[in-house]
Amino acid sequence: GAVVSQHPSWVICKSGTSVKIECRSLDFQATTMFWYRQFPKQSLMLMATSNEGSKATYEQGVEKDKFLINHASLTLSTLTVTSAHPEDSSFYICSATKGGNEKLFFGSGTQLSVL
Amino acid sequence: DQQVKQNSPSLSVQEGRISILNCDYTNSMFDYFLWYKKYPAEGPTFLISISSIKDKNEDGRFTVFLNKSAKHLSLHIVPSQPGDSAVYFCAASATGNQFYFGTGTSLTVIP
Repeated sequence: GAVVSQHPSWVICKSGTSVKIECRSLDFQATTMFWYRQFPKQSLMLMATSNEGSKATYEQGVEKDKFLINHASLTLSTLTVTSAHPEDSSFYICSATKGGNEKLFFGSGTQLSVL
Repeated sequence: DQQVKQNSPSLSVQEGRISILNCDYTNSMFDYFLWYKKYPAEGPTFLISISSIKDKNEDGRFTVFLNKSAKHLSLHIVPSQPGDSAVYFCAASATGNQFYFGTGTSLTVIP
C-alpha cells in the first residue's frame, strides 16, 4: 500500500529557532499534500493545501510567513515553522493524495515542543 | 507496517439504511480512537471519538463501537443520508499525541 513518511517524529527546539518537517510519499507521486495541526485529543485542523510546483493555499487564520510550506517535487513537501514559540508546540501531520481520487495517505506525525 | 487498517475501500448504502464502516488495528496499546469524515477537495473533519475505557459512544446518528479483544472499531450511521457520502478515516493513538490513520473508506449513500 501507499506509504507517507514524515520526519522527524519528535522535535524539541528553543524559542526563536526554525524547525523543518518533511513529508515524503515513498511509492507514489503526490500531486497534493495537506498539512494539519492537532492538539491533544482534538480534531485535526487543516493548515494548508500544497500542490506540487505552486504556492500553498492556507486556511484562514494560519500565518503564511510563520508556517512555510514548500512542495518542490511530487514526492516531497516540507513545513517550516519559523521563529517557533511555545504556543506553536503541537502535533503536526501531513497527508498526501495520488490525485484522481480522494483517498488520503497520512504520515505518522511530528510532535513539536518549543521550550 | 499499517497499524490501522480499513479493508473496505468503498461502501454503497441506500438512503435511510444503516451504514457500517469497519476499522481494525494491531497495536494493543492504542487507547483512543477517532473517526474523520472528508468531502472531496476538503480536509478531514472530526466526527466522533471513543476512549478504550468505553465500548460504545453515540452522537446523534453516529455511533462508534469498540471491541478491544478483537482490536476492531466500527462506525454506524443510522439513518444514512445522501449528505453522508464522503470518505471516512479511522485513527488510533496510544498516547493522545501521535495518531495512526487508516486509508479511508468511501461511502456512497444512494438516494
